[in-house]
Amino acid sequence: AQSVTQLGSHVSVSEGALVLLRCNYSSSVPPYLFWYVQYPNQGLQLLLKYTTGATLVKGINGFEAEFKKSETSFHLTKPSAHMSDAAEYFCAVRSLGGGYNKLIFGAGTRLAVHP
Amino acid sequence: KAGVTQTPRYLIKTRGQQVTLSCSPISGHRSVSWYQQTPGQGLQFLFEYFSETQRNKGNFPGRFSGRQFSNSRSEMNVSTLELGDSALYLCASGRAGGAQETQYFGPGTRLLVL
Repeated sequence: AQSVTQLGSHVSVSEGALVLLRCNYSSSVPPYLFWYVQYPNQGLQLLLKYTTGATLVKGINGFEAEFKKSETSFHLTKPSAHMSDAAEYFCAVRSLGGGYNKLIFGAGTRLAVHP
Repeated sequence: KAGVTQTPRYLIKTRGQQVTLSCSPISGHRSVSWYQQTPGQGLQFLFEYFSETQRNKGNFPGRFSGRQFSNSRSEMNVSTLELGDSALYLCASGRAGGAQETQYFGPGTRLLVL
């Protein structure tokens, strides 16, 4: 069975500091991995995804993530936090064995950015 | 190109009632998935429709049902509402439903059951 674990339900950083949001997954078949962001009272917006190929994936708003199969991780990073990055972030996994479009989400990490 | 739209955005119902939520996918998308988001359980998959057929179903009771029309628009219905059904219901669309494919989410319908 597939699962996603996000370490840290709340992360707080200073503006300009490095953002690191952790995600570990469990999947018996090669996974497809996604990071979504949710702003208050809005739906989910895709930041980036890993399917095949290059393990370092670049997304929108300066975010990137690296797929590490040996560590079963897909951590999200951004070199310099901006106030507008404050939101909730969700890591998700999907695979061919998971049933078509069924995304399995982690519990989410709420990112706070302070001046 | 218009995004995924969901109506209504907010809804208040009482226990025992039923409710129907609507989702219009991005033009050209044929796959529609539904998710429930609650503070306690997080984001959970309800079901997915493709070409008017339910292709995948999550672990929810039979009170939760859905359908998809020939224009790919989808509705989900919850009968005999319970307090625990209070949640944000998110709809997502995709072109063909492939595992690598991006799902685009709508803004959600926030349901409050009193």
